[in-house]
Amino acid sequence: EPEVTQTPSHQVTQMGQEVILRCVPISNHLYFYWYRQILGQKVEFLVSFYNNEISEKSEIFDDQFSVERPDGSNFTLKIRSTKLEDSAMYFCATKADGNEQFFGPGTRLTVL
Amino acid sequence: GNSVTQMEGPVTLSEEAFLTINCTYTATGYPSLFWYVQYPGEGLQLLLKATKADDKGSNKGFEATYRKETTSFHLEKGSVQVSDSAVYFCALKGGYGGSQGNLIFGKGTKLSVKP
Repeated sequence: EPEVTQTPSHQVTQMGQEVILRCVPISNHLYFYWYRQILGQKVEFLVSFYNNEISEKSEIFDDQFSVERPDGSNFTLKIRSTKLEDSAMYFCATKADGNEQFFGPGTRLTVL
Repeated sequence: GNSVTQMEGPVTLSEEAFLTINCTYTATGYPSLFWYVQYPGEGLQLLLKATKADDKGSNKGFEATYRKETTSFHLEKGSVQVSDSAVYFCALKGGYGGSQGNLIFGKGTKLSVKP
């Protein structure tokens, strides 16, 4: 069964460093999303991406964040200068038409 | 704005016990409602969904009914198994146009089922 994959599973970085989180969508999916979950808190929407552009973003998704699909397969989330409060589990989700989003297993980001 | 509130965990039950996880929502328009499950070490998986009032979603023995009058979507299962141990998330997708369908989640409820 096709699935969304994410790499790395765990990323440890120093405050102020740039990180790139990677997602490989299911092959025929056209809508892409990033969510995050700070430990013990809600899963929060960050951004949605369709047709090579951002279609919606939350207030969390400030200038430090960016997304792109550089090679038509990977979908990446970049954090330019990480802060302690960026420590969270980051989930990628993708979908074709219809309601169901398929989620990856997540990347745990730890900012020291 | 749209929001989801679900009961705090953790919930610990014995095998074959009855499960209810409460979920209520606040939304404009006509949202779609979902329950997602996250097994240890895995991503979120769609468990069931309902797209309009009075719809009942069901899967793997779990059920939830979309109640517009009480703005609720409580998850139930008549007889839980150890393999049901996971974190359960209630979520909604807004019902007005202009959205690409981002989900709004509750905090999640951790269920542990003991043999």
